[in-house]
Amino acid sequence: GAGVSQSPSNKVTEKGKDVELRCDPISGHTALYWYRQSLGQGLEFLIYFQGNSAPDKSGLPSDRFSAERTGGSVSTLTIQRTQQEDSAVYLCASSLRASTNEKLFFGSGTQLSVL
Amino acid sequence: QKEVEQDPGPLSVPEGAIVSLNCTYSNSAFQYFMWYRQYSRKGPELLMYTYSSGNKEDGRFTAQVDKSSKYISLFIRDSQPSDSATYLCAMLQTGANNLFFGTGTRLTVIP
Repeated sequence: GAGVSQSPSNKVTEKGKDVELRCDPISGHTALYWYRQSLGQGLEFLIYFQGNSAPDKSGLPSDRFSAERTGGSVSTLTIQRTQQEDSAVYLCASSLRASTNEKLFFGSGTQLSVL
Repeated sequence: QKEVEQDPGPLSVPEGAIVSLNCTYSNSAFQYFMWYRQYSRKGPELLMYTYSSGNKEDGRFTAQVDKSSKYISLFIRDSQPSDSATYLCAMLQTGANNLFFGTGTRLTVIP
């Protein structure tokens, strides 16, 4: 596709359940980010993948959060045992390469609601 | 203290007005300064970026960076209703992975 694709666009889940969010970056982009956007808050960095390098997980808020990127393309963000404070919009972004990380292309996000 | 501070607004202006949006920051190592525009229910899209200090103009948009004051601005001339969106500033250190974003300023341009 032409842009960054995220699915699902909306996810409602019950507290304690696990959820998986998917991101399909722009073809050929080697860098991939996950951010979280809560109401009234700025974008909060979660995790960064660059090529085959070890991911930068420094933004993950707890060990309930994990992400993987298979084959250098599609990425999945997993939240285990969801809590109400996990409710937010989860945004994925990609960039062509590490040296162009100021030019991020974002998907439309997944709105996660934990009841 | 947050790395990046931005007035959340909301800001409401009449069509044709000049809009000024601003951010301040605390990290003197930031070298890249970006403005993203986010429409409702969409992801942010890059509007402008500037490396180090100075001005950059693109059509009706002008970005300014004053590193001595740790202050950046985005000016929108002849504002249009289609400019109604949330504007987020973002900053990056050379060689770093993580962009730091402001909270965003919500702008409404009234026809």
